[in-house]
Amino acid sequence: QSVLTQPPSASGTPGQRVAISCSGSSSNVGNNAVNWYQQFPGTAPKLLIYNNDQRPAGVSDRFSGSKSGTSASLAISGLQSEDEADYYCAAWDDSMRGMFGGGTKLTVL
Amino acid sequence: QGQLVESGGDVVQPGGSLRLSCVSSGFNFRGFAMHWVRQAPGKGLEWVADIWFDGSKKYYADSVKGRFTISRDNLKDTLYLQMNRLRAEDTGFYYCAREARWQQLEFDFWGQGTLVAVSS
Repeated sequence: QSVLTQPPSASGTPGQRVAISCSGSSSNVGNNAVNWYQQFPGTAPKLLIYNNDQRPAGVSDRFSGSKSGTSASLAISGLQSEDEADYYCAAWDDSMRGMFGGGTKLTVL
Repeated sequence: QGQLVESGGDVVQPGGSLRLSCVSSGFNFRGFAMHWVRQAPGKGLEWVADIWFDGSKKYYADSVKGRFTISRDNLKDTLYLQMNRLRAEDTGFYYCAREARWQQLEFDFWGQGTLVAVSS
């Protein structure tokens, strides 16, 4: 059971906006940066959003992140078929351990 | 651009041991904290352990504490994970990852992963 809670699945049609939530506590999301990772089957995860709302170079501006209190959210606008992947939130916990969300499988209908 | 290459994954019996390696190139290895993250087949990501840039501090997930040991050799630009008393639930892909900012779980480089299978 993951400490960070994500919905197991999300879906949308091409062009739509989809949001994926990540809920934690005051010792992780509430007090540390939230990062988001994208993973395609059979490949290593890729950093998508860091420090709550920052995009690494090369990541499309269709991806955005936000955080409020002990919850964070990843939004994908202008949904495309190539966005179909698994998405994970992650945050350090003040108990000196790393935390990942359980992951959200995004389906583009 | 940096690169991380893991090796050492294998099939091992329950109770056995294995040592994973992660060789880095293209960046100043000794300047970064490094982590191991694993993924059981068909499951999500699980943080395993991390080690400070100089090896002075190490932290572990409860699920591996007392059985796994993370270490590094900054002269060889290599990260290790010694895995003892392996269990079936340790089966999965093991990734090493570079932490871009200290203690923020911000992994900007990942290896391709190495597969550990614990089975009798």
